[in-house]
Amino acid sequence: AQTVTQSQPEMSVQEAETVTLSCTYDTSESDYYLFWYKQPPSRQMILVIRQEAYKQQNATENRFSVNFQKAAKSFSLKISDSQLGDAAMYFCAYRGTTGNQFYFGTGTSLTVIP
Amino acid sequence: DAGVIQSPRHEVTEMGQEVTLRCKPISGHDYLFWYRQTMMRGLELLIYFNNNVPIDDSGMPEDRFSAKMPNASFSTLKIQPSEPRDSAVYFCASGPQGAYNEQFFGPGTRLTVL
Repeated sequence: AQTVTQSQPEMSVQEAETVTLSCTYDTSESDYYLFWYKQPPSRQMILVIRQEAYKQQNATENRFSVNFQKAAKSFSLKISDSQLGDAAMYFCAYRGTTGNQFYFGTGTSLTVIP
Repeated sequence: DAGVIQSPRHEVTEMGQEVTLRCKPISGHDYLFWYRQTMMRGLELLIYFNNNVPIDDSGMPEDRFSAKMPNASFSTLKIQPSEPRDSAVYFCASGPQGAYNEQFFGPGTRLTVL
């Protein structure tokens, strides 16, 4: 089974600064999809951004962008101009094209300091 | 669309009692997933369905857990008998066909077994 690793259980960032959350994964597939989900204190899981492995261009959604390094099997999330509302648990997830389930990392808890 | 609907939002029960969690997926979605989230083990996939058929239940912890999906608009996760270690937040998620597509999560059910 594929594994997804988030090596930073907790991170903090000053408001308006930039923070990068790390994620690595292990797979033998060549085509797959990667996702970052946000879980605020309300516990509702919300999709932040997704990346298709066959696309070399890094995905961007407003203040959120990814650094996708396929050879290194790395998929980090960069949050620019951090806001108080960004405080949440962030989960990295992998989904292959041959299977249908998602594989989630253990999450990174992000604190935004005013 | 109202999104994925779960009920109840909170459940407190005593050890040995039967617990039934309910989920209504988003209309038109082919996949339905049940997850359990705890501090110790993170987000665990319990079982998922494709077109109402259980595909992978390898994550179901014990025979005390069972899940059904009698039709495309309803699924249940039952624990009988419940134990204190079953205390967790249980999420239901649904998604359309295609690996590109995200999962849409419900708000979760917080289960406490005394």
